This record gives sequence, C-alpha cells and structure tokens, in this order.
Amino acid sequence: GDSVTQMEGPVTLSEEAFLTINCTYTATGYPSLFWYVQYPGEGLQLLLKATKADDKGSNKGFEATYRKETTSFHLEKGSVQVSDSAVYFCALSDRTGSYQLTFGKGTKLSVIP
Amino acid sequence: EPEVTQTPSHQVTQMGQEVILRCVPISNHLYFYWYRQILGQKVEFLVSFYNNEISEKSEIFDDQFSVERPDGSNFTLKIRSTKLEDSAMYFCASSEARRSGGTEAFFGQGTRLTVV
Repeated sequence: GDSVTQMEGPVTLSEEAFLTINCTYTATGYPSLFWYVQYPGEGLQLLLKATKADDKGSNKGFEATYRKETTSFHLEKGSVQVSDSAVYFCALSDRTGSYQLTFGKGTKLSVIP
Repeated sequence: EPEVTQTPSHQVTQMGQEVILRCVPISNHLYFYWYRQILGQKVEFLVSFYNNEISEKSEIFDDQFSVERPDGSNFTLKIRSTKLEDSAMYFCASSEARRSGGTEAFFGQGTRLTVV
C-alpha cells in the first residue's frame, strides 16, 4: 500500500536558519503530494501541494518540489521564524478511490530566537 | 473563507458509552472523511463518504464505528461503545476531489475525545 516516510524529529533551529524536512513516498499510482502544518493546539492546515512531477508547491516562504525519479517531496524554507514552530506532515493522495490522504509521522519544528 | 467546523472541541466520556462527533463540511464538497490522531502519533485515515455511502474504510473502522450524513449538511461519526484506546483527536475533512489534481482536503479543528 501507499506510505510516506518523513525525517524524524524534533528539529530545533535558530531564527533565520535554513530548513529542510525530508519526505519520501511509496505509491502504487501517480499521487498528489501535500505538506500540512499543525500549529500548537490547532488542526491541520494545508501548507502547499504539487500534483505532477517537477511541480513546485510554495506558500509562506516554504517550497517543495515533486521529484518522481527519487519519489521525494522535501520541504524547504530559506529563513525560518519563531512563528513557524509547528508539526509538519507530508502526505499523499492517490487519484483512485476516495482520494484519502496517507500521512507521514510528522516532524516537530521548534524555532528559537 | 469556507471552512470545516467540528463540534464539540473536547468530549470526555466514560468507557462503554456512545459518542457522536459532529462536522459541517464545506458546502460544495463531495467527499467527506474522518481521520484520527492518537496523541504523539501520525494522522490515520478512518473512513471516506461519498454520494451518501461509505466509499472506503480502514481496518481501524470496525463495527464500533459508523458515519452518517443525516440532513445534507452535517456529517457525524458515532462510536458505539467507547474504549480507552479510542482517546484521540478526531478530524473531519472534506474535499472537492476534482480529478484534475485538486484533491486537497480541508480539515476541521478537531474534536479531542477522552475516554475515562
């Protein structure tokens, strides 16, 4: 079945540091890929998405590129802020069935001033 | 901006009791979902609902669980006889599920269920 593997956390960075959170996936079909973010005490919010190979999703300074050849969708941000502290989930949705999401385990990011 | 709303935000129940978690999906969406997140663990798919019936369910979604869309706007998850291990955050989500690739799901804020 489908699966998503994320780098283990927690990750602690200083403000303005560069962020990379690795994500790789296994899927039987050609999935859409997503990054969701969960701020403390809140629900899941879509951060960005990509629906085909070589697409780059971007939002709020975060970027991720759909790499079909390496089955990866790594999240990057050039300069993190304290307000980026949250748990980040990589997810995929296959294009068959009911489009449900398969999530990775999540990576907790803490940004310190 | 349209959003998915869930009630209650927190529910405490005794083991063996029935609970109903409620959700109002985004009005023009076609697919509805329930996910759960046990504390500190990943978000897990429970069930999807389309065209007034279950379209897929996971192995977690056993006979203790049921879903319903009673009135065209609400979408409910019922747990018949709660167990301690049902304690989790339950997220409702909805999606337009367009085949062009816009299959993003919009999530509610979640209901934290605590079984004591």
